[in-house]
Amino acid sequence: AQSVSQHNHHVILSEAASLELGCNYSYGGTVNLFWYVQYPGQHLQLLLKYFSGDPLVKGIKGFEAEFIKSKFSFNLRKPSVQWSDTAEYFCAGSYSSASKIIFGSGTRLSIRP
Amino acid sequence: DTGVSQDPRHKITKRGQNVTFRCDPISEHNRLYWYRQTLGQGPEFLTYFQNEAQLEKSRLLSDRFSAERPKGSFSTLEIQRTEQGDSAMYLCASSWRDRGEQFFGPGTRLTVL
Repeated sequence: AQSVSQHNHHVILSEAASLELGCNYSYGGTVNLFWYVQYPGQHLQLLLKYFSGDPLVKGIKGFEAEFIKSKFSFNLRKPSVQWSDTAEYFCAGSYSSASKIIFGSGTRLSIRP
Repeated sequence: DTGVSQDPRHKITKRGQNVTFRCDPISEHNRLYWYRQTLGQGPEFLTYFQNEAQLEKSRLLSDRFSAERPKGSFSTLEIQRTEQGDSAMYLCASSWRDRGEQFFGPGTRLTVL
């Protein structure tokens, strides 16, 4: 079955630390991949997306993600986090056979000031 | 604000009552999606419209759930004979291209007592 999984449920970092959040997707044909963020009290916002081309994609607020087809992974990275990055992060995928987006269970990121 | 809007933002109802939610997508978007999100989980797909046609429904969408998009603009999601298990955040999203990024509204939080 088509699925997206996130390994970390809760990550706690200090400001200026580097971030990497894991995401794996199942095989199911061509897939578009996304990272969404939900800041406290706000709605889901798109951080970045991968459709094709350069596997290293850059998003807003200094985030980037790398599509590694051989590992079925699309990990999110940021070299130096800020307190304002405290949020819930969702990896998601859209497969060629359907229009819907399949979400992972989310990773809650807490940043210590 | 030209984003996706949802109404109401919060709804408290008693078990067995009917509820209806409304979603207004971004005006130029012809695709509209409904998702449900429970605590600690990512959004789960419920149903999807392209213009006024409902093209896909999840198995999560029991017979008590019905969605419409009569003129291809706003959409309504009705839940009949609500159950406590229906308590969740109901999210609406819209997009202008198939399998493209979806833009989410703030959600309607339903509490069934």
